[in-house]
Amino acid sequence: DAKTTQPPSMDCAEGRAANLPCNHSTISGNEYVYWYRQIHSQGPQYIIHGLKNNETNEMASLIITEDRKSSTLILPHATLRDTAVYYCIVRPSGIKAAGNKLTFGGGTRVLVKP
Amino acid sequence: GAGVSQSPSNKVTEKGKDVELRCDPISGHTALYWYRQSLGQGLEFLIYFQGNSAPDKSGLPSDRFSAERTGGSVSTLTIQRTQQEDSAVYLCASSHGDRGTGNTIYFGEGSWLTVV
Repeated sequence: DAKTTQPPSMDCAEGRAANLPCNHSTISGNEYVYWYRQIHSQGPQYIIHGLKNNETNEMASLIITEDRKSSTLILPHATLRDTAVYYCIVRPSGIKAAGNKLTFGGGTRVLVKP
Repeated sequence: GAGVSQSPSNKVTEKGKDVELRCDPISGHTALYWYRQSLGQGLEFLIYFQGNSAPDKSGLPSDRFSAERTGGSVSTLTIQRTQQEDSAVYLCASSHGDRGTGNTIYFGEGSWLTVV
């Protein structure tokens, strides 16, 4: 019952922007889009999340389409250390949201090449 | 500390022995989660604690697995009579459980368990 669809892998060049797509066509009105990444042998690292507006922080930007059925995570200047598996997850907001555990799909395996 | 802390970071145990894995959540976080990840596999939800509510144990794979959370803070995941298929990294995570939005979940670095 995967709620998101991501390409299994992608390569990008060091120093260039990396654009990671995610489809979530069945997203509900109260569901946020979360992005995490997992670098080999480490725990998942939170990157960013958003509801309907585009968001930016020190790590990345999140662009959500107007119909909210898809989004793109942008790493503005990819480095070799950004090589990781990136997970796009939808999760409800609200006081009870904490009970809605994150369900991880397969993610996108991103390889940043010199 | 500032993040989720787990111990031990690595544990090798003999088949049939019991193991305990510990998690210290981020201070002030009332929600605590356990996941596991076998080599080359995805993250599998195990159990969730929120305040004084009954835990969500729906992800525990067998009755050999149990978890406690004492005083609403530290949690211990116990695996009895370990089997080789229990070998995995066990990840703990925590979040605020009482906020209307943005209950972002933060993960620890995991406890690597090897059953020989």
